[in-house]
Amino acid sequence: NFMLTQPHSVSESPGKTVTISCTRSSGSIASNYVQWYQQRPGSSPTTVIYEDNQRPSGVPDRFSGSIDSSSNSASLTISGLKTEDEADYYCQSYDPSNRVFGGGTKLTVL
Amino acid sequence: EVQLVESGGGLVQPGGSLRLSCAASGFIFSSYSMNWVRQAPGKGLEWVSYISSTSSTIYYADSVKGRFTISRDNAKNSLYLQMNSLRAEDTAVYYCAREPNYYDISGYHSLGFDCWGQGTLVTVSS
Repeated sequence: NFMLTQPHSVSESPGKTVTISCTRSSGSIASNYVQWYQQRPGSSPTTVIYEDNQRPSGVPDRFSGSIDSSSNSASLTISGLKTEDEADYYCQSYDPSNRVFGGGTKLTVL
Repeated sequence: EVQLVESGGGLVQPGGSLRLSCAASGFIFSSYSMNWVRQAPGKGLEWVSYISSTSSTIYYADSVKGRFTISRDNAKNSLYLQMNSLRAEDTAVYYCAREPNYYDISGYHSLGFDCWGQGTLVTVSS
């Protein structure tokens, strides 16, 4: 089994851009799709990125995803930060018999 | 409207059992793989178990293998999780989540969890 490692927390000011990383411990990051979920306090998670870089309908284009094989990591970038983006963000991937979440990153917009 | 509604959570003593249910509506339940995901208080998300659309393929996280059993009834549009030998560390909100996936020439592809229920709280304590 592999692990996904995220920073515990990040913070940035409104209007700025923030990037959250997600590093896969073993196996190629490119071998299985990466998803990103947003979870606000007291709510269920919702998808902001699927298939590495696809946005579900209704998710603003301020959210983007990418993968980097050289660092074996995925990234979630949020531009034009708004206070409403303050939440926990989780990356997630899989292998045939497991689904794996990163530990989550708390985004503070201050 | 796509909807997943969990039920069956509650307080149970260590070593006890509980059965969670997830009622699906607004989509063709029998066409989708389903999962259980849990979140301990103040902690991150942890995948628990997967079941394919026809129940032919089932997976469990190591932390619950041998104690939990996932099942589904496509005629009733329902997903279940039978939890036995419960431990304090099983205390969590349990979510059911829909997983779209597909096969192509390069193999199996999961699109993650595109729909989640509101969760049901399981507390294991004496």
